[in-house]
Amino acid sequence: GDSVTQMEGPVTLSEEAFLTINCTYTATGYPSLFWYVQYPGEGLQLLLKATKADDKGSNKGFEATYRKETTSFHLEKGSVQVSDSAVYFCALSDGGNDYKLSFGAGTTVTVRA
Amino acid sequence: GAVVSQHPSWVICKSGTSVKIECRSLDFQATTMFWYRQFPKQSLMLMATSNEGSKATYEQGVEKDKFLINHASLTLSTLTVTSAHPEDSSFYICSVELAGGPSTDTQYFGPGTRLTVL
Repeated sequence: GDSVTQMEGPVTLSEEAFLTINCTYTATGYPSLFWYVQYPGEGLQLLLKATKADDKGSNKGFEATYRKETTSFHLEKGSVQVSDSAVYFCALSDGGNDYKLSFGAGTTVTVRA
Repeated sequence: GAVVSQHPSWVICKSGTSVKIECRSLDFQATTMFWYRQFPKQSLMLMATSNEGSKATYEQGVEKDKFLINHASLTLSTLTVTSAHPEDSSFYICSVELAGGPSTDTQYFGPGTRLTVL
């Protein structure tokens, strides 16, 4: 079945550092790929998405490119801020009628001032 | 994006009692809602898919008689944990899928309900 594997955390960074969270997937079809973010005490929010190969999703300085050849969707940000401290989840949708999401385990990121 | 609320945000109950959790889409109609369970420091596990006016579809290993889902309207779905036990303690999260338009594969999540069974 479909699955998502993402880099284990926790990840601790200093402000303005470069952030990469690796995410790879296994899917039988042509899934859509997502990054969701969960800030402390809040629900999951969609950060960015990509629906086909070579698409790049971007939002709030974060980027991720859908790489079909490496089945990857790594999240990057060039200069993190304290406010980026959160749990980040990579996910895929199988594109079926119910658009079920399969999530990675989540990566906790802490940015220190 | 869409606004999804859950009530209550936190509930503590005694073992053997039932607990109802509500999920509401506040600013749009949702034909499909999803219920997830999240254990501490783990990912979200899909429990069931709820379609308005029909029976929910449960994922493998989820007891449908224990986790009762009702989706009676386009803005409300409820999850009832029946005869709760300490192992049911978890964070329960709902999400909704926007009906129609180009973003039909995007889900919007509620803030979650933390259930503690004593």
